[in-house]
Amino acid sequence: DAMVIQNPRYQVTQFGKPVTLSCSQTLNHNVMYWYQQKSSQAPKLLFHYYDKDFNNEADTPDNFQSRRPNTSFCFLDIRSPGLGDAAMYLCATSRELGSTDTQYFGPGTRLTVL
Amino acid sequence: DQQVKQNSPSLSVQEGRISILNCDYTNSMFDYFLWYKKYPAEGPTFLISISSIKDKNEDGRFTVFLNKSAKHLSLHIVPSQPGDSAVYFCAASPRLTGGGNKLTFGTGTQLKVEL
Repeated sequence: DAMVIQNPRYQVTQFGKPVTLSCSQTLNHNVMYWYQQKSSQAPKLLFHYYDKDFNNEADTPDNFQSRRPNTSFCFLDIRSPGLGDAAMYLCATSRELGSTDTQYFGPGTRLTVL
Repeated sequence: DQQVKQNSPSLSVQEGRISILNCDYTNSMFDYFLWYKKYPAEGPTFLISISSIKDKNEDGRFTVFLNKSAKHLSLHIVPSQPGDSAVYFCAASPRLTGGGNKLTFGTGTQLKVEL
């Protein structure tokens, strides 16, 4: 009964070739998040959507874009992946934006850039 | 600059003993703290949390302690079980009004509970 689903689990792309990662949720939560976690580092928030409102973190590179066509789905687009973008990408959801609203994570997509 | 620090990348404990995982933070705006647990090939799952108005929160075998003056929190697991073997992430959230549920994570501690 997966609640936050990420596809694919493993993605290989070539340097500079656009890639899209997918996240879907069955929780009907208002908020969806994308995190980047590089090897041995902390997960780092890239951006989040509250409903259709997009909120970018100040230090998220322009190379990263996101789309949320409906409540259930959210996509992470990497326009021109570099070697430094190889990482685990985690999607999460929360019911609301309150600091006590629990975030539920998907299993992640591991991106390899050749 | 790492605002949430977990200085021990790994910890090994015998089954039945206490596991103590530590976390330090630097940002005074953090007012809500969480622990997440992560098994291989799975996403992090919420374990326990504490707000800055408390200094202790207990849930079964798991207790989180918060020392605001030292900007330090710890997770105690008693008794430790082999199924507790996982990576534990400390996370913190700032005092915001409608600004978003932004979590800042530590780098994680790999706990291994041995038989």
